[in-house]
Amino acid sequence: ETGVTQSPTHLIKTRGQQVTLRCSSQSGHNTVSWYQQALGQGPQFIFQYYREEENGRGNFPPRFSGLQFPNYSSELNVNALELDDSALYLCASSSFSGATGELFFGEGSRLTVL
Amino acid sequence: AQSVAQPEDQVNVAEGNPLTVKCTYSVSGNPYLFWYVQYPNRGLQFLLKYITGDNLVKGSYGFEAEFNKSQTSFHLKKPSALVSDSALYFCAVRDQTGANNLFFGTGTRLTVIP
Repeated sequence: ETGVTQSPTHLIKTRGQQVTLRCSSQSGHNTVSWYQQALGQGPQFIFQYYREEENGRGNFPPRFSGLQFPNYSSELNVNALELDDSALYLCASSSFSGATGELFFGEGSRLTVL
Repeated sequence: AQSVAQPEDQVNVAEGNPLTVKCTYSVSGNPYLFWYVQYPNRGLQFLLKYITGDNLVKGSYGFEAEFNKSQTSFHLKKPSALVSDSALYFCAVRDQTGANNLFFGTGTRLTVIP
């Protein structure tokens, strides 16, 4: 069984640039969620994708967008980067049919915005 | 709105002693509660969950948690701490609006002293 994998693991961008982060879901999972974890904070929900459509969104501006592909992998795109976007971005996969809400996380992509 | 609170930023315990990491929740209706652990520069690992049933939930690595409805608490416990248990622990509650996302607390850093 393959777990959740994310790429890249680390990256540095400058303010105003755009970034794309990628996630491959765990085998058998059809739902992908993205979280932002700022330094010293708990993860905060960005959005979730199910069947290639957004299925819920947290309190993040539209410059945070995403995609889900037919193989259930996903991308997180952030436009017009701001300094406060510096964080660990976590992808989590799950089975949508599972009402228990258990999420399986990747190791994250650490974004630094200068 | 649902939320969890972790009142302690830091917990120190001697190796071999019992440990408790506290969590209180605020939800309308029945909560789905979770504990995750995060090791340095890693993603989150699932420890245990409470959905319904027995108030004492057993999880991975010898951890357990006690659900207390009257006190709206879900404290994480372990009878005998190991140095390898030193990590960041997050309590979380499932979003009840159906998006299957989690609301996380701010985390408690556990240090087990040899």
